[in-house]
Amino acid sequence: GEDVEQSLFLSVREGDSSVINCTYTDSSSTYLYWYKQEPGAGLQLLTYIFSNMDMKQDQRLTVLLNKKDKHLSLRIADTQTGDSAIYFCAELGSGGYQKVTFGTGTKLQVIP
Amino acid sequence: IAGITQAPTSQILAAGRRMTLRCTQDMRHNAMYWYRQDLGLGLRLIHYSNTAGTTGKGEVPDGYSVSRANTDDFPLTLASAVPSQTSVYFCASSEQGNNEQFFGPGTRLTVL
Repeated sequence: GEDVEQSLFLSVREGDSSVINCTYTDSSSTYLYWYKQEPGAGLQLLTYIFSNMDMKQDQRLTVLLNKKDKHLSLRIADTQTGDSAIYFCAELGSGGYQKVTFGTGTKLQVIP
Repeated sequence: IAGITQAPTSQILAAGRRMTLRCTQDMRHNAMYWYRQDLGLGLRLIHYSNTAGTTGKGEVPDGYSVSRANTDDFPLTLASAVPSQTSVYFCASSEQGNNEQFFGPGTRLTVL
């Protein structure tokens, strides 16, 4: 079945760039997503990329997709303490329904 | 305010008891989902519904049931709770297209 993997933890200093990585197994993924979960809350969509794109930039966020290696990354420029959260990678597979598979989440800690 | 709500916010339950977690959305989304979130395991899909009147099993359906009598409501029932069902439960909904999922605030369930 589909699998999405992420490292569990990342720590960066305020003002530095953060790069969160993700690998997935479903070669027929159509959309890949990054969700953000703040403490005590549900997930919120941060950004997404269509599978025929290599890169998407949205203000401080840059998403890179290497479809050959099935690797997705999220770069946050000028990381702020408010960026501290858990970030989930997810992919929309080719199942009989709109099946989205989530990774385990990467907890980003921003040190002031 | 448009969105997705869940009730209760948290619950402590004795093993063997029956419990229904409620989920309501007012965005007229066709698809709805129930996930559980456990440390180190990310989000796992329990059940889903593509449209009112239909439901399907996700990755971890055992011990849970759902119904979808109308578009807005998607309750999750634990017929006889067990301690391994202690978790945070998230309901989500989505529409077709890029399948962005909108999440509720979650229900923290503890089964003793």
